[in-house]
Amino acid sequence: NAGVTQTPKFRVLKTGQSMTLLCAQDMNHEYMYWYRQDPGMGLRLIHYSVGEGTTAKGEVPDGYNVSRLKKQNFLLGLESAAPSQTSVYFCASSWGGMNTEAFFGQGTRLTVV
Amino acid sequence: GENVEQHPSTLSVQEGDSAVIKCTYSDSASNYFPWYKQELGKRPQLIIDIRSNVGEKKDQRIAVTLNKTAKHFSLHITETQPEDSAVYFCAASSYGNNRLAFGKGNQVVVIP
Repeated sequence: NAGVTQTPKFRVLKTGQSMTLLCAQDMNHEYMYWYRQDPGMGLRLIHYSVGEGTTAKGEVPDGYNVSRLKKQNFLLGLESAAPSQTSVYFCASSWGGMNTEAFFGQGTRLTVV
Repeated sequence: GENVEQHPSTLSVQEGDSAVIKCTYSDSASNYFPWYKQELGKRPQLIIDIRSNVGEKKDQRIAVTLNKTAKHFSLHITETQPEDSAVYFCAASSYGNNRLAFGKGNQVVVIP
């Protein structure tokens, strides 16, 4: 079992560019999440999904879009990157929602210049 | 929404001593309280969690206590070892509320 895998691990973008972060899990979890982690801010929820074909906004959704076309994949898109989106992004999944253990990916360090 | 605060932000302890990190939460409906450990450059990993129907839970050298009346919960690490050095995040959520609110993290440094 690979668990939760994120690609890419590192990326540098220019302001205004777009990109997609891919998250894949092989644990058959229903719930998937995207967080961002900034120094001194902890983990903040961007978007989440409670099952294939569903998405919902989290705490800081502006500037991001997501899709869950397949149960095992959760994509995070940045349409027009801004320096404020420089962060470490973590994907996570769980079997039973926010009241169950979340398994995190290894993170993607994104720098927007 | 739920607001989770952690204190202190940084904690240094001598190897072998105990470490205690306290978190407070604001939503009295919260009923699930996990603790995640994040080593430098690594992913967060669950180390222990507690639900509101119990007051304490132990797992070897770590324990979590919950005071629902005061709305705070604490992580206790006994006989600290260098590998306990990490950032520890507490969090809180309530059943049916699709939001797990994280604290900002505590940096624990174990001095050999």
